[in-house]
Amino acid sequence: DIQMTQSPSSLSASVGDRVTITCRASQGIINYLAWYQQKPGKVPKLLINATSTLQSGVPSRFRGSGSGSDFTLTISSLQPEDVATYYCQKYNSAPLTFGPGTKVDI
Amino acid sequence: QVQVVQSGPEVKKPGASVKVSCKTSGYTFINYGISWVRQAPGQGLEWVGWISANNGNTNYAQKFQGRVTMTTDTSTSTAYMEMRSLGSDDTAVYYCGRDLGYCDISSCSPAAYWGQGTLVTVSS
Repeated sequence: DIQMTQSPSSLSASVGDRVTITCRASQGIINYLAWYQQKPGKVPKLLINATSTLQSGVPSRFRGSGSGSDFTLTISSLQPEDVATYYCQKYNSAPLTFGPGTKVDI
Repeated sequence: QVQVVQSGPEVKKPGASVKVSCKTSGYTFINYGISWVRQAPGQGLEWVGWISANNGNTNYAQKFQGRVTMTTDTSTSTAYMEMRSLGSDDTAVYYCGRDLGYCDISSCSPAAYWGQGTLVTVSS
């Protein structure tokens, strides 16, 4: 099975900072990569699918990029409401493995 | 609008089984699959498996093979996940999520619409 890793596991940044989270697959997954945001005590929310397609209503400060096995989620200007744990997930084939998550604090 | 509502919390003894329901509305049920994901306390998201609401095809994570069964009832637009031989490490919030896109043969889509989660506690 393909394994997913994320780095860093946690980060603390200031409001307005640019934040970058990396997700790596142990094998190529083309662009079948999604990003989820989970705020404390809340249900996960799909932010991005197909590596870079923002879901409706997701602020444009979120951007996904990458291909093959290396992917990135960038928050261009961190806001207080972005405090959350972010997970990547590959979905090219089962199992649809999640990365271990990156906790973002301010 | 798409709505996904899960059944309430469960408390089970080790070795017991649990069946969680996931009732959907606001779309044509058979057009989208349902994924199940769990999250142990303080831990990350773990994919449990997927079922096609169109034909009942399933994918299960290897660690749950033989212990989990996913089904659907198209008459009520409800998906179910049953897990057997529960242990304390199965204590988690179990989520169901409707696929973003259409998948028929096998799981191929992230989950775009999530239920509120069902806490399953396994304790003697």
